[in-house]
Order: sequence, then structure tokens, then C-alpha cells
Amino acid sequence: NAGVMQNPRHLVRRRGQEARLRCSPMKGHSHVYWYRQLPEEGLKFMVYLQKENIIDESGMPKERFSAEFPKEGPSILRIQQVVRGDSAAYFCASSLLGQLNTGELFFGEGSRLTVL
Amino acid sequence: ELKVEQNPLFLSMQEGKNYTIYCNYSTTSDRLYWYRQDPGKSLESLFVLLSNGAVKQEGRLMASLDTKARLSTLHITAAVHDLSATYFCAVGRNTDKLIFGTGTRLQVFP
Repeated sequence: NAGVMQNPRHLVRRRGQEARLRCSPMKGHSHVYWYRQLPEEGLKFMVYLQKENIIDESGMPKERFSAEFPKEGPSILRIQQVVRGDSAAYFCASSLLGQLNTGELFFGEGSRLTVL
Repeated sequence: ELKVEQNPLFLSMQEGKNYTIYCNYSTTSDRLYWYRQDPGKSLESLFVLLSNGAVKQEGRLMASLDTKARLSTLHITAAVHDLSATYFCAVGRNTDKLIFGTGTRLQVFP
């Protein structure tokens, strides 16, 4: 049973370009969470999705950021017109239960975005 | 708004010594997690604490939860170099997302 798979592991973009980060949850998990970690800081919640639905996007910046989790395929975190402040590690986590979750979140290895 | 604070932020300790990392949170919660992160790596789940008075131990690490005091502790016994990492606590409430603490960077030296 493969773990949470994220790709790319490392991504370099110039200011103004788009970044797409992908996350395949663990097999059987239909709840996906995206977190952002700035250097030397903790993880900050961005968005929580279930298949085809955004459940909580309270941590997403209002502009340039979007997320989806289609019926088929991985979850995608999309950042348009990247700026240097977007440089961070973006972690995806999945869970089996989601709502009223009393179990674990399983984290991927992260995607490290560098904006030049 | 749920806030989570950890202390200390940095901890340098000698091998063989004992120490405790503290995690305070601001509002009622129904679950608390401890994670370990090595540099450039993902988060490894250490403990899940779900009820007041819960205590879990794994090797040299022991975690406890006091929901009345809104406090969790991660106790390190007889530290070894392999425990050097950053440790995060994370708190959840009902269906809310997890809120992470700022992390404690632990360095164990000979």
C-alpha cells in the first residue's frame, strides 16, 4: 500500500509563471489536505478537499491559489503568477475518515517550490 | 480561533539527559498529534492522543494529554543523537483541520 505520493518533489519557477503540485492520496483515502511550510516555520493549513468537493479553504490565499480533487486522478494545488513569497514546501496529507476524524493524517514527502 | 504554542522552540541537550517539550492550545480540542520531521523530509506520526489523561510511549518518547489544562507534553528519556529532529504538535477540533505548533528543534549532542 503506497503512501501519499506528491510530485514534483522539487519545482523551480520564475516570477509570474504557474506552479502545479500533484498529490495522490493513500489507497482508499478520499480526504486530502494541503499544508504550506515556510522555512523554519510550522505547517499552515491551506485547504481540505474530498472527492470533487472543497470542504474548507479558509487557509487559501484569496488570489492566485486554487485546489481541486477530481473524481479521477490526483489532487492538484495550482499557484498562478508565482511570487518569491510563494517559495515554500507544500505538503499533502490524506486520511481515511475525514469528518470526525480521530485517526491519523498521513503526509507525503512534500513539494518544494522555489521562485526565482 | 484555535492557537497552538510549543516551547521551547530550540532545545540542545546532551545524550543521556531527560527533557520535556510542552504544547499549549487555546480552545477545547478532541485530538492531539505529535509529529517528527527530519530536515528536508516529511512528517512522521509519533502519537495520537484522543482523551484526557491519555499517555502513550514509544521507545524513549512519551506523550501525555491534559485536556483540562489544554496541555500536552512530549517527554524524552535518556536522549540519543538519533532523536535530533524537529517535533511538532498539532491540534484538531470536531471536523476542523489540524493546527500545528511552531515546532521544537531538538539537537542531541554527545
